[in-house]
Amino acid sequence: QQQVKQSPQSLIVQKGGISIINCAYENTAFDYFPWYQQFPGKGPALLIAIRPDVSEKKEGRFTISFNKSAKQFSLHIMDSQPGDSATYFCAASMDGSQGNLIFGKGTKLSVKP
Amino acid sequence: GAVVSQHPSRVICKSGTSVKIECRSLDFQATTMFWYRQFPKKSLMLMATSNEGSKATYEQGVEKDKFLINHASLTLSTLTVTSAHPEDSSFYICSARDSRGPRYGYTFGSGTRLTVV
Repeated sequence: QQQVKQSPQSLIVQKGGISIINCAYENTAFDYFPWYQQFPGKGPALLIAIRPDVSEKKEGRFTISFNKSAKQFSLHIMDSQPGDSATYFCAASMDGSQGNLIFGKGTKLSVKP
Repeated sequence: GAVVSQHPSRVICKSGTSVKIECRSLDFQATTMFWYRQFPKKSLMLMATSNEGSKATYEQGVEKDKFLINHASLTLSTLTVTSAHPEDSSFYICSARDSRGPRYGYTFGSGTRLTVV
């Protein structure tokens, strides 16, 4: 079954701290792993994405770590800020297929000042 | 960057009426668009996949006669909620995949809050 399991469900971090959200997948055919940030009442916005040919990708304060053998990937938010408070979704999809994204259940991040 | 425009952002309608939601890719062509429904504090639930010029593919449990999808051009897909009922109240979000392939990413609209009274 195609699933993406995301944890934790919620996360509270102090300003300046590191936020870490984890996801695990089952289908080894997945080859595109994006993270989305969603604010209340808005659609998800792409934050960062990775493909399985690299183990890490960094864009500013956001880093994805990818472990192909463990079928896990994680999002690290360095120097977390109150403005980062949002719900984060990991997702996965397969190239060449109909390509719909399979979403994790989301993590609500609260960054305390 | 890629932009998807979704309208309206909010709509209130009476039970029994129909509501149309538009999803437009503004600066890229989208052979495939996706329609999601999101309940409060929940993840996105895929309702249907819309392919330009062909019939939409609906997920199990989604009534195709109730949620009509039309993808008449490479930049426009519409979702019409027919004979709306209060239980159809939800947040509906569209997503467009660049025609050049999923490597170019998926772009989401800003969502439509539907309230049926």
